[in-house]
Amino acid sequence: DAGVIQSPRHEVTEMGQEVTLRCKPISGHDYLFWYRQTMMRGLELLIYFNNNVPIDDSGMPEDRFSAKMPNASFSTLKIQPSEPRDSAVYFCASRKASGNTIYFGEGSWLTVV
Amino acid sequence: AQSVAQPEDQVNVAEGNPLTVKCTYSVSGNPYLFWYVQYPNRGLQFLLKYITGDNLVKGSYGFEAEFNKSQTSFHLKKPSALVSDSALYFCAFVSGSARQLTFGSGTQLTVLP
Repeated sequence: DAGVIQSPRHEVTEMGQEVTLRCKPISGHDYLFWYRQTMMRGLELLIYFNNNVPIDDSGMPEDRFSAKMPNASFSTLKIQPSEPRDSAVYFCASRKASGNTIYFGEGSWLTVV
Repeated sequence: AQSVAQPEDQVNVAEGNPLTVKCTYSVSGNPYLFWYVQYPNRGLQFLLKYITGDNLVKGSYGFEAEFNKSQTSFHLKKPSALVSDSALYFCAFVSGSARQLTFGSGTQLTVLP
């Protein structure tokens, strides 16, 4: 079975540009999570969706960040405008409602210069 | 606030020796505890979990962990370390309505040949 698929794997962009990160969760999973990993703050939950509906976005750092899940097989995390401090690894993860284990994608490694 | 702690940022062990990566928890009720591993430039991979039942949990790649309620610990162990076990290890617990993961700060394991 395919795991969680993220794209792009690596992105380098200039400050002020819009960045869109994409995620395809595991088929049949009801929950989708976006995490961010930085050296300073470790792994942080940004937002999660249940059945495509955003439930808790309290971890989103500021209004420059937005996330959508238009259908069960696709989600985006957008940063507009991007800033150097947004440089991090962004992970998408998913889980079945009936399960306990969360499965992660390979991450999108973002560098904003 | 609930949390897990990984007291060691770095653990070095010789190949063939037993390894232990420590995790203590401060979680109310019956905790759901997890270990994930992150190889360089990769995503997080699920290793094992404790939900209920036997305190000794066996996972992938020969790893195991022991849930100790009296010491509030969930240490990760392996009888004989391999160089390929060198990676970043995260302890985590489940919380919230979505049963999302909250992670410890991570422990870098280096197995020396």
